[in-house]
Amino acid sequence: GNSVTQMEGPVTLSEEAFLTINCTYTATGYPSLFWYVQYPGEGLQLLLKATKADDKGSNKGFEATYRKETTSFHLEKGSVQVSDSAVYFCALSADSWGKFQFGAGTQVVVTP
Amino acid sequence: DADVTQTPRNRITKTGKRIMLECSQTKGHDRMYWYRQDPGLGLRLIYYSFDVKDINKGEISDGYSVSRQAQAKFSLSLESAIPNQTALYFCATSDLQQGVSGELFFGEGSRLTVL
Repeated sequence: GNSVTQMEGPVTLSEEAFLTINCTYTATGYPSLFWYVQYPGEGLQLLLKATKADDKGSNKGFEATYRKETTSFHLEKGSVQVSDSAVYFCALSADSWGKFQFGAGTQVVVTP
Repeated sequence: DADVTQTPRNRITKTGKRIMLECSQTKGHDRMYWYRQDPGLGLRLIYYSFDVKDINKGEISDGYSVSRQAQAKFSLSLESAIPNQTALYFCATSDLQQGVSGELFFGEGSRLTVL
């Protein structure tokens, strides 16, 4: 079956540091890939997505590139802020039924 | 107002009680979902519905039931709550975009504690 594996947290960084969260997937067919972010006390919201190989999703300074050859969709940001402290989820959707598989989530803590 | 609204936001109940979590949406989407979030496990799909007459089990449906009362309303019930159903529950919606499921839009969550 389809699955998503992402690096465990928490990841603790200083402000302005570089952030990488690794995500790899297993899927049949050609999945769409997503990063969702969950701020404290809130629901998940879409951060970025990519729907085909070599696509790059970007938003709010975050980027991720759909790498079919390595089945990866790593999230990066060049200079994090305290406001980026949240839990980040990698996810895929591999069919038109709209069923998503989520990774376990990675908590990111950014300190001043 | 939020596009996807869940009630209650927090609930504490006792083992054996019946609980209903409600979800309503104003996005006009046909597809609605209930997920459960547990620390270290991510989100797991409980039930999903593509229209009022369509209900499907997800990966962890045992102990849960749902009702799609209207296009905009999708309720999750625990007929007899047990402590391992203590979790954060999310309702979500989506629509089809060019034949492919679009992104999920989430409610703010309902935190359920079963004592």
